[in-house]
Amino acid sequence: AQSVAQPEDQVNVAEGNPLTVKCTYSVSGNPYLFWYVQYPNRGLQFLLKYITGDNLVKGSYGFEAEFNKSQTSFHLKKPSALVSDSALYFCAVVSGGSYIPTFGRGTSLIVHP
Amino acid sequence: GAGVSQTPSNKVTEKGKYVELRCDPISGHTALYWYRQSLGQGPEFLIYFQGTGAADDSGLPNDRFFAVRPEGSVSTLKIQRTERGDSAVYLCASSLIPSGRLGYEQYFGPGTRLTVT
Repeated sequence: AQSVAQPEDQVNVAEGNPLTVKCTYSVSGNPYLFWYVQYPNRGLQFLLKYITGDNLVKGSYGFEAEFNKSQTSFHLKKPSALVSDSALYFCAVVSGGSYIPTFGRGTSLIVHP
Repeated sequence: GAGVSQTPSNKVTEKGKYVELRCDPISGHTALYWYRQSLGQGPEFLIYFQGTGAADDSGLPNDRFFAVRPEGSVSTLKIQRTERGDSAVYLCASSLIPSGRLGYEQYFGPGTRLTVT
């Protein structure tokens, strides 16, 4: 079985400040981890993924995430938030050998001017 | 190039009616997924196609739900005898078949908002 937890329903941050959106996971076997962003009335848009290799992965729009195996976490980060980053963010996990992801409930990121 | 498209964008139907939701994946993407998303939730897996065949339909909630992909491209999700609880946004996504580090990430359509009255 695989599962994802996004412990925060909402994250508020001021523009220009660093942001972190948290994600923890549970899988049997090696995890493949993903972050997606969803803007209002739009489908999900892929941001970045961890499959193997370097624990720090960089993605679109200046976002990055760090895979931490000991803490089973894959937190999304950005050094300097923009108002346009305000959206819904979803973490997803696939256990190695599977093709079916499990998504978290999502975290609403609100960046204040 | 063109992304994943879904039609209609909105569908309102009466309880008990039959509906079809269409998905046009990205050209060349062999894998196709259907999800259901309720308010305040992440996408919930329904069915996964590799080519024309349903490789995993374990997420379909009951036998009122069915999906086809007869030529390995366009897919149709069919819901019989709709119930008010079927109201949700239905998302379609496509991807390459995973190989090594490639694939796995999915490209989503804008969704079809289904309302059953």
